[in-house]
Amino acid sequence: EAGVAQSPRYKIIEKRQSVAFWCNPISGHATLYWYQQILGQGPKLLIQFQNNGVVDDSQLPKDRFSAERLKGVDSTLKIQPAKLEDSAVYLCASSDRPGQGTPNYNEQFFGPGTRLTVL
Amino acid sequence: KQEVTQIPAALSVPEGENLVLNCSFTDSAIYNLQWFRQDPGKGLTSLLLIQSSQREQTSGRLNASLDKSSGRSTLYIAASQPGDSATYLCAVPSNRDDKIIFGKGTRLHILP
Repeated sequence: EAGVAQSPRYKIIEKRQSVAFWCNPISGHATLYWYQQILGQGPKLLIQFQNNGVVDDSQLPKDRFSAERLKGVDSTLKIQPAKLEDSAVYLCASSDRPGQGTPNYNEQFFGPGTRLTVL
Repeated sequence: KQEVTQIPAALSVPEGENLVLNCSFTDSAIYNLQWFRQDPGKGLTSLLLIQSSQREQTSGRLNASLDKSSGRSTLYIAASQPGDSATYLCAVPSNRDDKIIFGKGTRLHILP
């Protein structure tokens, strides 16, 4: 079974530029997550999709970050314009959401991440 | 609001020792608890997932326990090896609002 795919793996940009990240979840997984992980911290959820609908985007800086999952499969996360403090690893994860009581309910599978450096 | 704490933040032990990593959470209304491993510059690899109805899960040299009532989980690593060096994170999804909260992780270094 193919895992979660992300691209690019690395990106270096200057502040005020824009950047986009792409994620392809595991086939059949309805839930997709984008996380931001700053060095030395645990991942912080930016946005959670259930199919193509947004479940939670309370921690997404909406003045500069946007995300979409138009067909309920692939997703893109965009930053425009980037700031120095956006330097981080951006992780995408997906999960299959069977009913409660099913083994491995809500288990998340992560992609390799995209390391963003803003200069 | 769910808060997840991992202690210690960093740990160095000689190869071959058994060790315990700790994870505590403030809200016991959880579906499950998941332990991950993260190598430098890489994504997260799932190690073990414990359902709220379970008390422990085992995979090879790893054993994770869960005590919901006290808000604690431990990850036990037996006979540690240099290849175990990584950051270990625990994550707790709340069954109140489906948000998944991560701890900051424990950076483990196994000395050859």
